[in-house]
Amino acid sequence: KAGVTQTPRYLIKTRGQQVTLSCSPISGHRSVSWYQQTPGQGLQFLFEYFSETQRNKGNFPGRFSGRQFSNSRSEMNVSTLELGDSALYLCASSLIGSNEQFFGPGTRLTVL
Amino acid sequence: GENVEQHPSTLSVQEGDSAVIKCTYSDSASNYFPWYKQELGKRPQLIIDIRSNVGEKKDQRIAVTLNKTAKHFSLHITETQPEDSAVYFCAASMGTGGGADGLTFGKGTHLIIQP
Repeated sequence: KAGVTQTPRYLIKTRGQQVTLSCSPISGHRSVSWYQQTPGQGLQFLFEYFSETQRNKGNFPGRFSGRQFSNSRSEMNVSTLELGDSALYLCASSLIGSNEQFFGPGTRLTVL
Repeated sequence: GENVEQHPSTLSVQEGDSAVIKCTYSDSASNYFPWYKQELGKRPQLIIDIRSNVGEKKDQRIAVTLNKTAKHFSLHITETQPEDSAVYFCAASMGTGGGADGLTFGKGTHLIIQP
């Protein structure tokens, strides 16, 4: 089976812009979670989607949003980018009924 | 919310020796504890996990122990090899299934295997 894929892999934006990142889960996985990884804060949970519904959300401002499509692919959007949003954004997929989360390669976002 | 503390932040061991990484968690409702290995520039990869109804789990050179009373869990790597060099993260969640709870991660341990 193909693993979790994320596009794009690298992105450079300027402050105030918005960005959309995409994640395709492992085939058959219907839960998609998003995490932000920075050197200072480590890995932090953003939100989780299942069946096109957000089931859980971490402690991030409303500028961070997401959605999931009927084929389980997910997107996350960050509006009004700030310098501090520079990070590696990772998505992970899970089978319902399993706790194991499988991570994608991440999207490296740089905000200038 | 849940808080996970991980120690040490850096661990250097001689090849062939054992390495131990320790984590504590705050929420007694957490019952799923995975460990991830992340090599430089790569994605985190699940190496072992444990649920709260189990005290210890082994997979070849890797073992995880859990003390639910003390809210401690540890990763043990025996007979370390150069390819074990990486950053290791512990995590905790409620474990209701399907990723719904979100994982709370420790800050990571940079394991360096000295030849």
